[in-house]
Amino acid sequence: DGGITQSPKYLFRKEGQNVTLSCEQNLNHDAMYWYRQDPGQGLRLIYYSQIVNDFQKGDIAEGYSVSREKKESFPLTVTSAQKNPTAFYLCASSKGLAGTDTQYFGPGTRLTVL
Amino acid sequence: QKEVEQDPGPLSVPEGAIVSLNCTYSNSAFQYFMWYRQYSRKGPELLMYTYSSGNKEDGRFTAQVDKSSKYISLFIRDSQPSDSATYLCAMSAGGTSYGKLTFGQGTILTVHP
Repeated sequence: DGGITQSPKYLFRKEGQNVTLSCEQNLNHDAMYWYRQDPGQGLRLIYYSQIVNDFQKGDIAEGYSVSREKKESFPLTVTSAQKNPTAFYLCASSKGLAGTDTQYFGPGTRLTVL
Repeated sequence: QKEVEQDPGPLSVPEGAIVSLNCTYSNSAFQYFMWYRQYSRKGPELLMYTYSSGNKEDGRFTAQVDKSSKYISLFIRDSQPSDSATYLCAMSAGGTSYGKLTFGQGTILTVHP
């Protein structure tokens, strides 16, 4: 059963702490993405990766970091430098980066800063 | 001005109604147009995908693209309570450049029995 999994579903963080969100896919996709979703703002791109050991900043990368050591995994770290981290985080993957390559989304992680 | 504008609603209709959802955009380079459906607290799922101008039909759903007006629409016929969700339009320039998706804000739709 192919798909994208994200964990945890809910995450609570104290101010000043770093947290890491997990994203795994078994679709054999090369490209992976992280988005942030806030009410009334749609999805905004944080980071994307075309291939293992390579990733690029998206529109709102400040305060976030990623790694891509394996094709199937693309974890996102929300650092203490992120001013307003409370949001719904979505991971996606696609075959490649071409406009014709459909992006498939995971179920999301809701992060709340206490 | 945002590259993609979408009326956030909320939109409430009775079961069986025809629903029209719309997005306007400013970037003439956009060639690929998508509609995603997102149920509450879930990830978006691709509903319709259209390349360039024209219509595409899939069951009760029809996607329209008018590139001359920079306007896209999604029509839902015979709407059902199970269609209640947030609908997101998305688009990309594609081609040889990175196919970055630009999303609208999403429209919240409720279909009541």
